[in-house]
Amino acid sequence: NAGVTQTPKFRVLKTGQSMTLLCAQDMNHEYMYWYRQDPGMGLRLIHYSVGEGTTAKGEVPDGYNVSRLKKQNFLLGLESAAPSQTSVYFCASSNTRAGAGAVNEQFFGPGTRLTVL
Amino acid sequence: DQQVKQNSPSLSVQEGRISILNCDYTNSMFDYFLWYKKYPAEGPTFLISISSIKDKNEDGRFTVFLNKSAKHLSLHIVPSQPGDSAVYFCAAYNFGNEKLTFGTGTRLTIIP
Repeated sequence: NAGVTQTPKFRVLKTGQSMTLLCAQDMNHEYMYWYRQDPGMGLRLIHYSVGEGTTAKGEVPDGYNVSRLKKQNFLLGLESAAPSQTSVYFCASSNTRAGAGAVNEQFFGPGTRLTVL
Repeated sequence: DQQVKQNSPSLSVQEGRISILNCDYTNSMFDYFLWYKKYPAEGPTFLISISSIKDKNEDGRFTVFLNKSAKHLSLHIVPSQPGDSAVYFCAAYNFGNEKLTFGTGTRLTIIP
């Protein structure tokens, strides 16, 4: 049971290049999320998915696209990278909300450190 | 607009003593509050949570206190151990939009 894995761990891009970050989870979770972490900013939600084939915008979605073609995978794409997208990206997954009184604990991957020059 | 705030970026505590990490929030609609712990080069891991209808939750060495009138919560770790050295994130969850809002984190260093 690997939990949540992210590929790649590190990447350096030039401005204008594109790339895709892959997140995979083996816990059969319905919900998946992409966050970015920047110094002094905490974790901010980019996009999320409540199930296979669905995606929704989070707090900072501009410049990113996502796809959830398979339940276990959540892809984050940067079509034209900008220096402002230099960050550490975390993927997370969780069960659906069990109901009142339950907490939606999210399980995080180890992160991808992206530098855009 | 930062809805969840951790005003102390860092905290140093002697091993064996109590560590108290603080968190303030502005949105009274949050339903749950969670603490996550993060080691370098790893993702955050869930530590403890508290429902907005409770004022205390305890799990071993970790206790979270919630003061709704002050919109303030705190995490107490006692006794503090060297392995507790990490960045701690406070987070707040809203059932309505199913979003988790994170604070900026506090780096805790336990001094042997």
